[in-house]
Amino acid sequence: KQEVTQIPAALSVPEGENLVLNCSFTDSAIYNLQWFRQDPGKGLTSLLLIQSSQREQTSGRLNASLDKSSGRSTLYIAASQPGDSATYLCAVLSNDYKLSFGAGTTVTVRA
Amino acid sequence: GAVVSQHPSWVICKSGTSVKIECRSLDFQATTMFWYRQFPKQSLMLMATSNEGSKATYEQGVEKDKFLINHASLTLSTLTVTSAHPEDSSFYICSARVDRVDSGNTIYFGEGSWLTVV
Repeated sequence: KQEVTQIPAALSVPEGENLVLNCSFTDSAIYNLQWFRQDPGKGLTSLLLIQSSQREQTSGRLNASLDKSSGRSTLYIAASQPGDSATYLCAVLSNDYKLSFGAGTTVTVRA
Repeated sequence: GAVVSQHPSWVICKSGTSVKIECRSLDFQATTMFWYRQFPKQSLMLMATSNEGSKATYEQGVEKDKFLINHASLTLSTLTVTSAHPEDSSFYICSARVDRVDSGNTIYFGEGSWLTVV
């Protein structure tokens, strides 16, 4: 069974600092890995999707890397802003098409 | 872009009644949809995989008679929480996998439904 772990569970930084969020998974047989953002009481917003054959994806201030062999992904958010405050979820799509989620990293960016 | 619509967003019901939540893919076909549940401050847990035209596949520990799933068309799956109890209060969210071969197994999520059972 796929297990997804996210570290740290919570992170508080001053505005302007770079954020580093970590995700690890136990089974490297995956189709893709996706990073989501979830605001309190809201659904999920997809941020970046990395196919299993890719090493990284970038979108604006966001960059996500994937090392499938070691079962790790990292989400970098450059020059954080208060609007980046949210919970960030990592999810892995396994070969049975099931998504396994991590518990999330709750980020607070202080103005 | 692809959108998944989930309805209702919020629902309050009395204990013992049933509640239906709809999940629609608005601009793509989805043979497979997924239902998740999220308790406060916890991550999403897969409840079941909904397959168009066939029975849903439930994860271990999920009561199929309590959480009825119907996937009657390629764009609609419904989750019915039967005889709801306060412990069923949770955030329910669906996702749909795009049927197109070139979609890269893209999955889109609905906005979720908050269920409160009183």
